[in-house]
Amino acid sequence: QKEVEQDPGPLSVPEGAIVSLNCTYSNSAFQYFMWYRQYSRKGPELLMYTYSSGNKEDGRFTAQVDKSSKYISLFIRDSQPSDSATYLCAMIPILTGGGNKLTFGTGTQLKVEL
Amino acid sequence: NAGVMQNPRHLVRRRGQEARLRCSPMKGHSHVYWYRQLPEEGLKFMVYLQKENIIDESGMPKERFSAEFPKEGPSILRIQQVVRGDSAAYFCASSPNTGGEGNEQYFGPGTRLTVT
Repeated sequence: QKEVEQDPGPLSVPEGAIVSLNCTYSNSAFQYFMWYRQYSRKGPELLMYTYSSGNKEDGRFTAQVDKSSKYISLFIRDSQPSDSATYLCAMIPILTGGGNKLTFGTGTQLKVEL
Repeated sequence: NAGVMQNPRHLVRRRGQEARLRCSPMKGHSHVYWYRQLPEEGLKFMVYLQKENIIDESGMPKERFSAEFPKEGPSILRIQQVVRGDSAAYFCASSPNTGGEGNEQYFGPGTRLTVT
């Protein structure tokens, strides 16, 4: 079983829809959670960064962490064609002396259609 | 404010040659990470460095791969005697800190290595 599971999609939605992207994880030591957006043949771009459980909002994006369920979500409101990309969740465990490596999900491919 | 810089962006090597990938972190960042993205796979951690120190190399293959982050200059990921299976996108990331706020990592554009 992978440490981080993410549905690869593809997920296709109409412009203006609310998009929900999700990851589940098995390692209860994960404390820091990130969402990245990656366009084809580009580097990952950090969208959201949260620590422990709760919600965080930034513009059209909301990140949600439920540690009791080991489940994180990214919501995109009023989706645009420019949001079409692969979305990666990533996590870092509670620091234990140098353990800053990100563990990634495999990414969900999103397509927002006109 | 320049982001993470990587060069070259594309690198073609024949089997058996050496590949050198360079990464300059964001200004003010002293923590550098290397990740590899194989076709149809997710990003995998390779190594974490601070200036003049390798902190965590648990994701590095034991042979042919090495990394450094000297006191002056960029971080270097070196792959000796490349094989076709090394063909991948290699990404560098940097962070300003390692605890609490400042733990987030920012990625460069990547180097796409093709081994022929």
